[in-house]
Amino acid sequence: SAVISQKPSRDICQRGTSLTIQCQVDSQVTMMFWYRQQPGQSLTLIATANQGSEATYESGFVIDKFPISRPNLTFSTLTVSNMSPEDSSIYLCSVEGQGMYEQFFGPGTRLTVL
Amino acid sequence: GESVGLHLPTLSVQEGDNSIINCAYSNSASDYFIWYKQESGKGPQFIIDIRSNMDKRQGQRVTVLLNKTVKHLSLQIAATQPGDSAVYFCAENSGWGKLQFGAGTQVVVTP
Repeated sequence: SAVISQKPSRDICQRGTSLTIQCQVDSQVTMMFWYRQQPGQSLTLIATANQGSEATYESGFVIDKFPISRPNLTFSTLTVSNMSPEDSSIYLCSVEGQGMYEQFFGPGTRLTVL
Repeated sequence: GESVGLHLPTLSVQEGDNSIINCAYSNSASDYFIWYKQESGKGPQFIIDIRSNMDKRQGQRVTVLLNKTVKHLSLQIAATQPGDSAVYFCAENSGWGKLQFGAGTQVVVTP
């Protein structure tokens, strides 16, 4: 499986500010995904990020709030913009495995918005 | 919309016993399912997967069963150990790599 790292691992931010989360993979992958996990809850897909194209967002998530970059096949960023306390969550990136159906997750970024 | 869900939010298991975690899904078109384990402060860890053309798949101390007739998925953990304490999620691949997760089951292993 791919080795996935995320930065920062955690952060505490003030409302109204923005935070950019980085996801780095140790191998080239076509598809990368960003998920949100609110406190005590399950994971919800935010968007799919493919290199060379615009990210595809799920219902309830918009590009202005969660802009995503995918400059190459090993890296992606997710920005949480104009944050409010409701954005306090764990944000996780994942990548497809060699079996195309498998997905492997990074360790997550724990965000607290005051 | 269609969803994946779990029957039991918390499962308490004595060390050495077998654990069974259940999951119901509603999308009959789903063709791939995954079980993940998430320990506190970590991302979900892939445990085992199964395709819809299979009824059973075994891994190391884990077995996944798929009953397409009743749209039910289960994860069995043999000889549960303290290190198995975690939240377990089932997930359905809804196409183009998108995963839809169930609510999660907290497994607590007691001595």
